[in-house]
Amino acid sequence: EAQVTQNPRYLITVTGKKLTVTCSQNMNHEYMSWYRQDPGLGLRQIYYSMNVEVTDKGDVPEGYKVSRKEKRNFPLILESPSPNQTSLYFCASSFLGSSNQPQHFGDGTRLSIL
Amino acid sequence: QKEVEQDPGPLSVPEGAIVSLNCTYSNSAFQYFMWYRQYSRKGPELLMYTYSSGNKEDGRFTAQVDKSSKYISLFIRDSQPSDSATYLCAMSASYTGANSKLTFGKGITLSVRP
Repeated sequence: EAQVTQNPRYLITVTGKKLTVTCSQNMNHEYMSWYRQDPGLGLRQIYYSMNVEVTDKGDVPEGYKVSRKEKRNFPLILESPSPNQTSLYFCASSFLGSSNQPQHFGDGTRLSIL
Repeated sequence: QKEVEQDPGPLSVPEGAIVSLNCTYSNSAFQYFMWYRQYSRKGPELLMYTYSSGNKEDGRFTAQVDKSSKYISLFIRDSQPSDSATYLCAMSASYTGANSKLTFGKGITLSVRP
């Protein structure tokens, strides 16, 4: 089954404790992206990657890091989480160069940072 | 003015009603227009995709794009309780490269009452 898998689905942690949210896709997609979704603000892109070892900032990259060492994986790293990073996070992937570029989303990771 | 504006809702309709969901945008470079549906505790899934102006129909759903007015709509005919979800419009200037970044509306929550 084609899917984007995020882990963990839920996490409560404390300020300053480094955490990583993993994202893996099994569709051989070149493009992967991280979003955060907040009430009243909608979905905002954090980082994206067009292929292995190619990453770039989205609209709200501050406080986040990413890496793309393998095509299927795109982890999101919070080196020193703060309460304003409490949010619902989504990873998405798609093919590049396709006129129909549905982004396939994972089911989300709800992060609470105390 | 935000790049993409979407009616905030929420919206509650009786089963069988015709639903109209709308977004306006300011960036005239947008050419690709999408509607995503997001059920509670799930990631967004692509519902409709259109390129440039015109209408596209898929079952009970019709997507309409008016580039001259910078206005897109999603119509749902014979709405069902299973249509209860959050609907997000999204758009991009290109399907490849840096301009393929999706810009989302904030989403509107629809509830269809049996």
